[in-house]
Amino acid sequence: GAGVSQSPRYKVAKRGQDVALRCDPISGHVSLFWYQQALGQGPEFLTYFQNEAQLDKSGLPSDRFFAERPEGSVSTLKIQRTQQEDSAVYLCASLLGGETQYFGPGTRLLVL
Amino acid sequence: QKEVEQDPGPLSVPEGAIVSLNCTYSNSAFQYFMWYRQYSRKGPELLMYTYSSGNKEDGRFTAQVDKSSKYISLFIRDSQPSDSATYLCAMRDGGSNYKLTFGKGTLLTVNP
Repeated sequence: GAGVSQSPRYKVAKRGQDVALRCDPISGHVSLFWYQQALGQGPEFLTYFQNEAQLDKSGLPSDRFFAERPEGSVSTLKIQRTQQEDSAVYLCASLLGGETQYFGPGTRLLVL
Repeated sequence: QKEVEQDPGPLSVPEGAIVSLNCTYSNSAFQYFMWYRQYSRKGPELLMYTYSSGNKEDGRFTAQVDKSSKYISLFIRDSQPSDSATYLCAMRDGGSNYKLTFGKGTLLTVNP
């Protein structure tokens, strides 16, 4: 079956632009996670949803970052007024049960 | 100091070698320990997970956890060129929040 998909795969933004990154989890997966992976680093947790409820947003680096999952399926991560330090790969993962988080291929964001 | 420390390598070995990868951590609340493999420009993929201390074997892969030392290891036997990837350790506490804390990742190259 289909895995986690993310779009766009690549995004170039000028500093100060707003961007929206989309995640389509595996159908039926209740939990959804966003991680940020800087170059040469491991993924870092941003936020976690269970269905449409955002249960943990402790990893969001600033109030410029906002995530939503209004119908408990597709999720969008929005970054307002992008800065160069926002350049990274943004990974989405979904989980049905157990410990296996299934990751998408990521969106590679470059802020110029 | 980060909660999870992992030597980033790079590590280069000949085909057929035994590979040892490891991580140390500082948070004694961590209960679940995972190893993910990440190919270039792809999302991480779960290889194995272990709950609490002990060993777990799956084919050519063995995971070990020593909670008393806060040290985890992944061994790869009979390494293959297709094992060339970045290996990420990850861990979480035993609560209902499934967010993962990752190490930096170790880049492994297996030479034919």
